[in-house]
Amino acid sequence: GAVVSQHPSWVICKSGTSVKIECRSLDFQATTMFWYRQFPKQSLMLMATSNEGSKATYEQGVEKDKFLINHASLTLSTLTVTSAHPEDSSFYICSATAGTSGSSEQFFGPGTRLTVL
Amino acid sequence: GQNIDQPTEMTATEGAIVQINCTYQTSGFNGLFWYQQHAGEAPTFLSYNVLDGLEEKGRFSSFLSRSKGYSYLLLKELQMKDSASYLCASRDSNYQLIWGAGTKLIIKP
Repeated sequence: GAVVSQHPSWVICKSGTSVKIECRSLDFQATTMFWYRQFPKQSLMLMATSNEGSKATYEQGVEKDKFLINHASLTLSTLTVTSAHPEDSSFYICSATAGTSGSSEQFFGPGTRLTVL
Repeated sequence: GQNIDQPTEMTATEGAIVQINCTYQTSGFNGLFWYQQHAGEAPTFLSYNVLDGLEEKGRFSSFLSRSKGYSYLLLKELQMKDSASYLCASRDSNYQLIWGAGTKLIIKP
């Protein structure tokens, strides 16, 4: 159980286009979903935290107008990279938690590798 | 402030034991996680400690000392497939994870 999927697994796009990445919890309802970005040989950088039905909370330095997050249901969150540029090329990973306390671990999706030409 | 420190890289021999240390400073500490991440893949959960002591799970064990802000991940009977990055993450009072930079573990035959 506790499977999180992401789609697409990789995407190549031209500079200036927008890319949408989907994150789904397949067998549980995710109260909270997290979006991370990871550059090569670096650790995970939390971009934003989203709860179903409310606006996402963005980390300092993350442009909310550029990285649009929608958490419309308890099983789906989307990240849209608007007007992507080469510096947005990165590995984007989502995670989800089912609980709000205790040992509720984050379950990670497989990640989406974005390359902007 | 909130901070996680762990070594950047470690090397060990197949069949041996290795200990990866992690020190943390976290407001409202609410648990310590260890994740394994192979290159190009998402992290996978290894362990969770919220009380002091050692948690053993097969070849992997994790230790926590809250008074010292210290944890370690112990890997026994190392296999080549254990070559990966190991991420230490502490959880704060807002249930948010603060991630270390990861320790790249290289296993040699």
